[in-house]
Amino acid sequence: QVQLQESGPGLVKPSETLSLTCTVSGASISSYYWSWIRQSPGKGLEWIGYIYYSGSTSYNPSLRSRVTISIDTSRNHFSLNLSSVTAADTAVYYCARHGGRWYHFENWGQGTLVSVSP
Amino acid sequence: EIVLTQSPATLSLSPGERATLSCGASPSVGNRYLAWYQHKPGLAPRLLIYDASRRATGIPDRFSGSGSGTDFTLTISRLEPEDFALYYCQQYDSSPYTFGQGTKLEIK
Repeated sequence: QVQLQESGPGLVKPSETLSLTCTVSGASISSYYWSWIRQSPGKGLEWIGYIYYSGSTSYNPSLRSRVTISIDTSRNHFSLNLSSVTAADTAVYYCARHGGRWYHFENWGQGTLVSVSP
Repeated sequence: EIVLTQSPATLSLSPGERATLSCGASPSVGNRYLAWYQHKPGLAPRLLIYDASRRATGIPDRFSGSGSGTDFTLTISRLEPEDFALYYCQQYDSSPYTFGQGTKLEIK
């Protein structure tokens, strides 16, 4: 059974970098595509970007200038860095697995709340 | 980007009733690359339907999906107590992937 677990600081200061890790169990990260998705309070879901195990990435244009997603196949995890955060980046952040570039999200983590506040 | 509009925002029904949730797309979604997810607070979203009408593994057959292009529907034939939750549609036909705003299915 594939499980994904997000981890990282729950509080980040404005202008700093938000960093989260998604640890995958029950499947090798050396296949599939791996995405980050977020949901701001009272708003819908927003796809942030994905990484393929080879290291190729794709980002949402709305966040592209501030996002970096990386992968560590030796640790079976992938990570999100979002720079220059503001209060608008306060959200529940989810990681998810999908089988291809044009594919549905087969498995999700349960999410982690990150608040941006001084 | 493709904008998905879900309706209604809230649906109040009783167990045993039939639920019909809609997802409109603009512009249209090609290849029927549309999925439906169920989300309960504090839990991971759960894939219900992909490719507009294919049930994901382990999903009961009371859940069904239909539609193409600009109009998609999720139907729950007979509501069980555990079905009351948030439901989202999502397209993966073009980048960026986008989601609808969700339909809250609540007990009447």
